[in-house]
Amino acid sequence: GAVVSQHPSRVICKSGTSVKIECRSLDFQATTMFWYRQFPKKSLMLMATSNEGSKATYEQGVEKDKFLINHASLTLSTLTVTSAHPEDSSFYICSARVGSTNTGELFFGEGSRLTVL
Amino acid sequence: RKEVEQDPGPFNVPEGATVAFNCTYSNSASQSFFWYRQDCRKEPKLLMSVYSSGNEDGRFTAQLNRASQYISLLIRDSKLSDSATYLCAVPQGGGFKTIFGAGTRLFVKA
Repeated sequence: GAVVSQHPSRVICKSGTSVKIECRSLDFQATTMFWYRQFPKKSLMLMATSNEGSKATYEQGVEKDKFLINHASLTLSTLTVTSAHPEDSSFYICSARVGSTNTGELFFGEGSRLTVL
Repeated sequence: RKEVEQDPGPFNVPEGATVAFNCTYSNSASQSFFWYRQDCRKEPKLLMSVYSSGNEDGRFTAQLNRASQYISLLIRDSKLSDSATYLCAVPQGGGFKTIFGAGTRLFVKA
């Protein structure tokens, strides 16, 4: 079946540094990928929609310059957390749909747990 | 009203029990609905999808009530391994982005 892979699964960094998270669709092409953020015991909050070859669409309240998204190919989207602060510590998960339907199920990457010291 | 709303629980049930969760949604134009299961510190995984009135897969049954705008998930003969958080998900607008409920936590005890 469809597989979405994320890397790294865990990262610890110092305040002020930038961290890049990769999301790959392994056996299908994804023109659109979705980045979610999840705090402990909370639900998934959509951060942005990553569009191949164009700018990402950010949800209200999500800083574009803070969370840089690049979708340079049909199988890769990256999320860069710039100038990270402890409050950015969270579980970041990417997802994608297979096929052209907009109402299908989402396949998720394994998630990336970010800890900012 | 939240776009997708769930009872957070937790639901504590004994093995073998039947348990049901509800999820309400605000967008009456929504066409598809999903239940995901999320284990602690893991990514969500699809449990069931609902496109019409309902769906059944073994011990799991999902039902859709369009008039009242809710979907339910019924788990029969609960197993210890069913302990997890169950997330309701509804594609919004043109279906492009999916909104998740807060999740319902289930604990099945021996």
